[in-house]
Amino acid sequence: NAGVTQTPKFRVLKTGQSMTLLCAQDMNHEYMYWYRQDPGMGLRLIHYSVGEGTTAKGEVPDGYNVSRLKKQNFLLGLESAAPSQTSVYFCASSYSRDYSNQPQHFGDGTRLSIL
Amino acid sequence: ILNVEQSPQSLHVQEGDSTNFTCSFPSSNFYALHWYRWETAKSPEALFVMTLNGDEKKKGRISATLNTKEGYSYLYIKGSQPEDSATYLCARPDTGTASKLTFGTGTRLQVTL
Repeated sequence: NAGVTQTPKFRVLKTGQSMTLLCAQDMNHEYMYWYRQDPGMGLRLIHYSVGEGTTAKGEVPDGYNVSRLKKQNFLLGLESAAPSQTSVYFCASSYSRDYSNQPQHFGDGTRLSIL
Repeated sequence: ILNVEQSPQSLHVQEGDSTNFTCSFPSSNFYALHWYRWETAKSPEALFVMTLNGDEKKKGRISATLNTKEGYSYLYIKGSQPEDSATYLCARPDTGTASKLTFGTGTRLQVTL
């Protein structure tokens, strides 16, 4: 059982380059989330999705776009990478039933460096 | 945006010691309180999801209590072991959309022999 899988695990970009981070889950979860984790800041929500074809902004959405074309996949895009986006990115998913009571299941993270 | 605070920021105990730390959160419009354990170089894993005032949950040597009226939760570890070394995160669902979590910055626990 793979759970939540993130690709790639590491990436180095130059300022202005674009890239897409992929998150895939095999638990048939409705909800999916993208977080970034920075020292001293904890996990901050970038964007989230409550179902296929729907996305919404989280706490720190600027500079990122997302898409949820298939229920099992949630893509995070950086159109023009900036050094401030150097971070560790985590994807998570959860069931929709009794939503506030459902724990989130996390991927292993993607470490992204922008030079 | 909710304000979820955790204390202490870090904690260093010896093997066998019992320890506890605190998560404070706004008590209004409460839905649930989540606890996660996050080992270095791994992903956060859910420990507990607590919903009722006075709730107490236990998993092995780790337990948690919840006070929704005053807005705090305690996590206890009895007889700490080196494998308990991790960052412990608490999180509260957003009042607007209950699926969104606001995380505290965590308590980093180091257990030495």
